[in-house]
Amino acid sequence: GNSVTQMEGPVTLSEEAFLTINCTYTATGYPSLFWYVQYPGEGLQLLLKATKADDKGSNKGFEATYRKETTSFHLEKGSVQVSDSAVYFCAALYNNNDMRFGAGTRLTVKP
Amino acid sequence: KAGVTQTPRYLIKTRGQQVTLSCSPISGHRSVSWYQQTPGQGLQFLFEYFSETQRNKGNFPGRFSGRQFSNSRSEMNVSTLELGDSALYLCASSLGGQGNHRYGYTFGSGTRLTVV
Repeated sequence: GNSVTQMEGPVTLSEEAFLTINCTYTATGYPSLFWYVQYPGEGLQLLLKATKADDKGSNKGFEATYRKETTSFHLEKGSVQVSDSAVYFCAALYNNNDMRFGAGTRLTVKP
Repeated sequence: KAGVTQTPRYLIKTRGQQVTLSCSPISGHRSVSWYQQTPGQGLQFLFEYFSETQRNKGNFPGRFSGRQFSNSRSEMNVSTLELGDSALYLCASSLGGQGNHRYGYTFGSGTRLTVV
């Protein structure tokens, strides 16, 4: 079946460090890929998305590239800030409106 | 435009009671999906409604049910509450039609249910 696997956390970084959170998906059809972020006490907010192979989604300094050959959609940011501390979810939305989420990765950025 | 609205934000119920949660999607969105989020299990899919019909269903017992109205608003109901039902319940809306999956979901802020 369809599934998304993402790097387990928690991840703790110092401010201005480089961030990578790995995400892979099962290649059933051509899903659209997303990264969502969840701050404490809130719902999920869309961070970025990519809808076809080689697309790069970007927002607020975060980037992820849709890699069909490796079925991956890794999230990266060159210099994290304390305000980036949150839980990040990778997700894939398949053609039948089946949305699958990874388990979430908690990021803590220390000053 | 208005986002996805979930009510109430917080709820405390006693074991054995039932509860109804509401979700109003973004105007024009016809699909509403429900998720249960707990620290131990992460995000688990409950069900999805599209044009008043349940289109997809997760692996939850029959105590969990839902419906969608003609204006796309959705409700979910949990009967005979158990302590383990304590969770954040998230609703997400999307266009939902064929080929619209690339637009993704917009989530509400959730309803925090505590069962005591």
